[in-house]
Amino acid sequence: QITLKESGPTLVKPTETLTVTCSFSGFSLSTGGVGVGWIRQPPGKALEWLTLIYWNDDKRYSPSLKTRLTITKDTSKNQVVLTMTNMDPVDTGTYYCAHVSGYYFDYWGQGTLVTVSS
Amino acid sequence: EIVLTQSPDFQSVTPEEKVTITCRASQIIGSSLHWYQQKPGQSPKLLIKYASQSISGVPSRFSGSGSGTDFTLTINSLDAEDAATYYCHQSDSFPFTFGGGTKVEIK
Repeated sequence: QITLKESGPTLVKPTETLTVTCSFSGFSLSTGGVGVGWIRQPPGKALEWLTLIYWNDDKRYSPSLKTRLTITKDTSKNQVVLTMTNMDPVDTGTYYCAHVSGYYFDYWGQGTLVTVSS
Repeated sequence: EIVLTQSPDFQSVTPEEKVTITCRASQIIGSSLHWYQQKPGQSPKLLIKYASQSISGVPSRFSGSGSGTDFTLTINSLDAEDAATYYCHQSDSFPFTFGGGTKVEIK
């Protein structure tokens, strides 16, 4: 049974760095073809893909956010960490991590709401 | 970047009615198109992968079709529990992109 759960701050100040951790179980990030991705959703708006990391450490980023994003994995801890620098109020939203089976998201975490405000 | 345009944005439908949602890609993406359902307050759930492949546990009233640039999600005989927003997602090339969503309301 695959499960994922996001954890991190609920409130960050403008210009601060956001660090969100995805803890998962039921799969290994050392298995070929497997990845973990991050997707966010501003309140009342559509989904936006941010980044993903594959079992072989191949990393992909949204071009519009690439300079602000970093994704890393800790295979031994079954965790993936997203960092986003220079946070702004427009970055407010729910941040989801999801299991990637090749190229689609088949299991999602419950999401964590991050508010950017001073 | 591949842009996905969904239509309609909103649909109000009577139970047992058929629902059709379309997703158009700004360039050819083969069958690399997936559909998700998001109910209020919940995470998205995978409904259909690679345009038409069914997902275990998803009711058979959900089906997908299309290839190239034009795709369709069909809900046959809408159930009250299908009230949700539906999103398409392309994985033909990075960056991955999502459509703007289609909200389905039950009359």
